[in-house]
Amino acid sequence: GAGVSQTPSNKVTEKGKYVELRCDPISGHTALYWYRQSLGQGPEFLIYFQGTGAADDSGLPNDRFFAVRPEGSVSTLKIQRTERGDSAVYLCASSWDGANVLTFGAGSRLTVL
Amino acid sequence: GDSVTQMEGPVTLSEEAFLTINCTYTATGYPSLFWYVQYPGEGLQLLLKATKADDKGSNKGFEATYRKETTSFHLEKGSVQVSDSAVYFCALILNQAGTALIFGKGTTLSVSS
Repeated sequence: GAGVSQTPSNKVTEKGKYVELRCDPISGHTALYWYRQSLGQGPEFLIYFQGTGAADDSGLPNDRFFAVRPEGSVSTLKIQRTERGDSAVYLCASSWDGANVLTFGAGSRLTVL
Repeated sequence: GDSVTQMEGPVTLSEEAFLTINCTYTATGYPSLFWYVQYPGEGLQLLLKATKADDKGSNKGFEATYRKETTSFHLEKGSVQVSDSAVYFCALILNQAGTALIFGKGTTLSVSS
């Protein structure tokens, strides 16, 4: 696609529920990143994929967070047993292999009530 | 660890005023430096970048020079416009495979006419 597409743009859920956030990167971009941006803060790194594999998942806050990219294109961020503190905007970005310029999607705003 | 520190906001200016947003970094390796901008209701966009010491990045009238001796990458614009009102993020990435962008907390700029 022309840009990085993220769905849903907004998600409201209740504490304890399971959530999936989807990212469709720019066609041909092999690197994909997930970030989390809380109100008034800069984006915080969560996980980085090179192709299908997670090259660096050191930013995932705990084992309730998981991400997959089974075919090396679309990625899904999965959050189990959501907590109010998970409320944030989740950003996805992609880039060419080895490039250091990331293109970001508009984000998915998650609100946990 | 690697980090980016930006001046606290908000920064409030009148149209045509001079803008400086300070950014300093700490890096274990040799980074590339970036400024990203987030306009209201939009996703993060790359504003400018510099990949080595003494490089100057520029775009849309904004400039920033990579100063290795002071580990800084301050953003400047000679004459701001109302349309420049946004949140500005300084960021770095190490020039090695498998690393992700590290962002500062962001500086909100508000320009009035």
